[in-house]
Amino acid sequence: EVQLVESGGGLVQPGGSLKLSCAASGFTFSGSAMHWVRQASGKGLEWVGRIRSRANSYATAYAASVKGRFTISRDDSKNMASLQMNSLKIEDTAVYYCTRQPPGDSDVFDIWGQGTMVTVSS
Amino acid sequence: QSALTQPASVSGSPGQSITISCTGTSSDVGGYNYVSWYQQYPGKAPKLMIYDVSKRPSGVSNRFSGSKSGNTASLTISGLQAEDEADYYCCSYAGSSTWVFGGGTKVTVL
Repeated sequence: EVQLVESGGGLVQPGGSLKLSCAASGFTFSGSAMHWVRQASGKGLEWVGRIRSRANSYATAYAASVKGRFTISRDDSKNMASLQMNSLKIEDTAVYYCTRQPPGDSDVFDIWGQGTMVTVSS
Repeated sequence: QSALTQPASVSGSPGQSITISCTGTSSDVGGYNYVSWYQQYPGKAPKLMIYDVSKRPSGVSNRFSGSKSGNTASLTISGLQAEDEADYYCCSYAGSSTWVFGGGTKVTVL
């Protein structure tokens, strides 16, 4: 079964850190770019960042709102992507989804995880 | 990067057609043929409905179609059904390895 499963969400104080994980199965993980997208309660989707495949030098990119605070990494041997979040702010509170961008020319997020909730509060 | 502009809500009766607009700029929607649309039910993950402006993934009903003119992309749902009641988001590549979503549109089936 093709799926993505996020984990690691929880409650953290402002200024704190949290690491989210995304476990992939049922497809060739190593060839896919992986993105993180978040959604605050009652709000729209917000693109967070991306990591490309080994063939593309594991290049990363981030939204301006998280650049310098968040880091995306991946371990192809474990079919896992991660989102390290530092210096967390209250406005980072959201459900965080990992999603796949398949190899090729199409620009699409075709597989989504169920999401993991991150709450930043004192 | 500002969010793409979508109407907050669109409604229609069963069997009717509705169109959701997604307006950006020449730096995103207008600059690339990389607009995708996602359907989201409350408490659920988004689901891909349209990609590369007008391509439909296998398994998605042909009642869903996409188009683009200038800086505005559109999603049309024909033969509206009760199960189409959900939130819909557009997304565009915005250059420099960044992506931007629309604010979302709530579709109500009357």
